[in-house]
Amino acid sequence: EDKVVQSPLSLVVHEGDTVTLNCSYEVTNFRSLLWYKQEKKAPTFLFMLTSSGIEKKSGRLSSILDKKELFSILNITATQTGDSAVYLCAVEMDNNNDMRFGAGTRLTVKP
Amino acid sequence: NAGVTQTPKFQVLKTGQSMTLQCAQDMNHEYMSWYRQDPGMGLRLIHYSVGAGITDQGEVPNGYNVSRSTTEDFPLRLLSAAPSQTSVYFCASSYSLSSHNEQFFGPGTRLTVL
Repeated sequence: EDKVVQSPLSLVVHEGDTVTLNCSYEVTNFRSLLWYKQEKKAPTFLFMLTSSGIEKKSGRLSSILDKKELFSILNITATQTGDSAVYLCAVEMDNNNDMRFGAGTRLTVKP
Repeated sequence: NAGVTQTPKFQVLKTGQSMTLQCAQDMNHEYMSWYRQDPGMGLRLIHYSVGAGITDQGEVPNGYNVSRSTTEDFPLRLLSAAPSQTSVYFCASSYSLSSHNEQFFGPGTRLTVL
């Protein structure tokens, strides 16, 4: 059965801390892994990863994929209260055009 | 561009009632999809479409029907609502199947089935 597992489920940090969010997967015919940020409503896209070992970076956020060990991490440095959100990991599959999402990690950044 | 729009924003149904959740996009996207989001479950794909006249099932299609008569619209129908369908529903679109990185989500419809 295809599955995507995120950890931790929730995390509380203080402003300025660095956090690492984890996403592991077991799917058939992997195509890509995507990270989304969901605040109050719809998810917004952060990164798409297709190749192992190549870091994607956007400001204080970065992500990397390990296709051998079947996981990805999302790093956020110098966290701010505006980073508080649910972070979703999703995996696209090639064979049936399906996408599987993890349950998400709820990040709370306290001032 | 309005992006992806969904109506209604909120809906309460009684068990057995039917309704249609509307989704429209004005970006000329080929790929559209419907997800439901439940606490602790993440987003689960219900149905998707790779173009007008073409639809296919996702992970959790039972109890839902879709059609894609135009590129712009992708309605989701609940023929006989059940309490298990209480959820938040998101419609999403992207230019093509291979461009999920450009996937845009609508604002969501919160459905409660009593």
